[in-house]
Amino acid sequence: GESVGLHLPTLSVQEGDNSIINCAYSNSASDYFIWYKQESGKGPQFIIDIRSNMDKRQGQRVTVLLNKTVKHLSLQIAATQPGDSAVYFCAENPLNYGGSQGNLIFGKGTKLSVKP
Amino acid sequence: KAGVTQTPRYLIKTRGQQVTLSCSPISGHRSVSWYQQTPGQGLQFLFEYFSETQRNKGNFPGRFSGRQFSNSRSEMNVSTLELGDSALYLCASSTDRAGYGYTFGSGTRLTVV
Repeated sequence: GESVGLHLPTLSVQEGDNSIINCAYSNSASDYFIWYKQESGKGPQFIIDIRSNMDKRQGQRVTVLLNKTVKHLSLQIAATQPGDSAVYFCAENPLNYGGSQGNLIFGKGTKLSVKP
Repeated sequence: KAGVTQTPRYLIKTRGQQVTLSCSPISGHRSVSWYQQTPGQGLQFLFEYFSETQRNKGNFPGRFSGRQFSNSRSEMNVSTLELGDSALYLCASSTDRAGYGYTFGSGTRLTVV
């Protein structure tokens, strides 16, 4: 069935290093993908999104890469900081970008731990 | 501007009881979606409301229901609670396209004993 999964459940990095969090998706009809960050006791917080007609999108210290050939999504965090420690989720919207329905399919999450 | 507000933050209920959770979306947001988050299943979609109408529903039993009011505030209800209903229930709102531009609330932590 449709699913979004993560390759690495936990990731530990040194402060200042770059982090890469990966995600696989299975629904080829999905055309909108989002990365969320969830800190303890809080709801998911939007980080960055990308449409399927793009391969790469950059934000502040974050970059999302989309490889539709292998149905793979990644989030790169540059110069990782202790405040980046959280659980990161990828999500896909299996409907058109302009669709009126919205049941995001979330991955299981990757816990990022930043060592000072 | 104020974010998505969910009340209560924590709730403890007994098996067999029912519970109602509330979500106030960001002002101007008309789409409200609900998700259940558990360690085992992760984030799973419950349902989405827009202009007081349920537009989409996830794969949950009929014990889970919801509604939306004219001011876009939404409630979800779980009847005949089971231990497995213990979870973090998250509400997300967006302007009109659910799934796009979601802002999540901090959730309601429900514990069923």
